[in-house]
Amino acid sequence: QAGLTQPPSVSKGLRQTATLTCTGNSNNVANQGAAWLQQHQGHPPKLLSYRNNNRPSGISERFSASRSGDTASLTITGLQPEDEADYYCSAWDTSLSAVVFGGGTKLTVL
Amino acid sequence: EVQLVESGGGLVQPGGSLRLSCAASGFTFSTYWMTWVRQAPGKGLEWVASIEQDGSEKFYVDSVKGRFTISRDNAKNSLYLEMNSLRAEDTAVYYCAGGIGECWGQGTLVTVSS
Repeated sequence: QAGLTQPPSVSKGLRQTATLTCTGNSNNVANQGAAWLQQHQGHPPKLLSYRNNNRPSGISERFSASRSGDTASLTITGLQPEDEADYYCSAWDTSLSAVVFGGGTKLTVL
Repeated sequence: EVQLVESGGGLVQPGGSLRLSCAASGFTFSTYWMTWVRQAPGKGLEWVASIEQDGSEKFYVDSVKGRFTISRDNAKNSLYLEMNSLRAEDTAVYYCAGGIGECWGQGTLVTVSS
């Protein structure tokens, strides 16, 4: 089952802004929206946003998500050392009747 | 406190079977879509299977269809994954997740090796 496309790595400086992208197609991201998950090494994933820009309670406003066509984006402002992690996008694919994940983006905070 | 606790992982030979369990607490389990996601060592997340709230609909990734079965017992607040004909490529940490990913367990490691 085809997955979503994410850049393998992004590096940004402390207090800068990082924008991570996730590209799918009309069967998933474009019509179902995307969710974003953060995973620190050795820990389970944590949901950051769902259906494009809904944040669960307790998630910092520094994390915001959006979508344009078949590409979803996660913007992280004021980067902190603790933001260094792997970030995954996911979406329900109506054609496959399956959840599809991106390969993940490793964010490095310099 | 919302909690998901997986159990049942371990070392199994190729072709063998395992049953994973996920015990839920702190939320109304019967109202949540539930999912199993796995992560092979050093790799990304891979969706394995999902089940609707009442268990009527189940969905699987192609690579496990016919080998894995997802099920739930709402009376026991529990989610299960029956895994048969296990292969080396099934080696991973298996997580259960609730809803759209609002809650995750800590994972249980399944190792398929002779």
